[in-house]
Amino acid sequence: GQSLEQPSEVTAVEGAIVQINCTYQTSGFYGLSWYQQHDGGAPTFLSYNALDGLEETGRFSSFLSRSDSYGYLLLQELQMKDSASYFCAVRGGGGNKLTFGTGTQLKVEL
Amino acid sequence: DTGVSQDPRHKITKRGQNVTFRCDPISEHNRLYWYRQTLGQGPEFLTYFQNEAQLEKSRLLSDRFSAERPKGSFSTLEIQRTEQGDSAMYLCASSHAGDGAYEQYFGPGTRLTVT
Repeated sequence: GQSLEQPSEVTAVEGAIVQINCTYQTSGFYGLSWYQQHDGGAPTFLSYNALDGLEETGRFSSFLSRSDSYGYLLLQELQMKDSASYFCAVRGGGGNKLTFGTGTQLKVEL
Repeated sequence: DTGVSQDPRHKITKRGQNVTFRCDPISEHNRLYWYRQTLGQGPEFLTYFQNEAQLEKSRLLSDRFSAERPKGSFSTLEIQRTEQGDSAMYLCASSHAGDGAYEQYFGPGTRLTVT
């Protein structure tokens, strides 16, 4: 099966940079995705990495190290609207489903 | 296209009743997924379809749960003889095939409360 670990909560101030880590265990790894979910909202796709390295999309970047079974999401120039839960999700096990972590609640303060 | 839609948005039912939810995916997406999410947890995979074929079903899914996608467009998820433990948000998502599995578009969900 698949399992993922991420911190339950992170707090940062507006304008800062924050990194949300994710470690995973899976067989047949294909890639790691990141999703954002505001309270009461649906998850929305942010980024994914299939290969090692950094992917940048505006203020958000995602990194993957397949040898370490580790990835992170980097959020720069934090804004209050970034307060949300962030989930890493692994595609593995030979299928096309995503297995989500338990999520990291990000609180952005003034 | 306006995105993935789900109906109803909220459902309150008594234990033992059957419920059915509907999901309309983004029209050009041939994959459709069902997830369940409880408070403080990530979405938990239930099942997925490619076109009308149900290709994978979670081992955690009991026989009381069944899903269909008869014409490869909308899908329904039925829960028979509901239990209080079924109370959750039921999310539907759709994607393109292949690497599209990484990038799934979620609907607003159906919140089920079993009393």
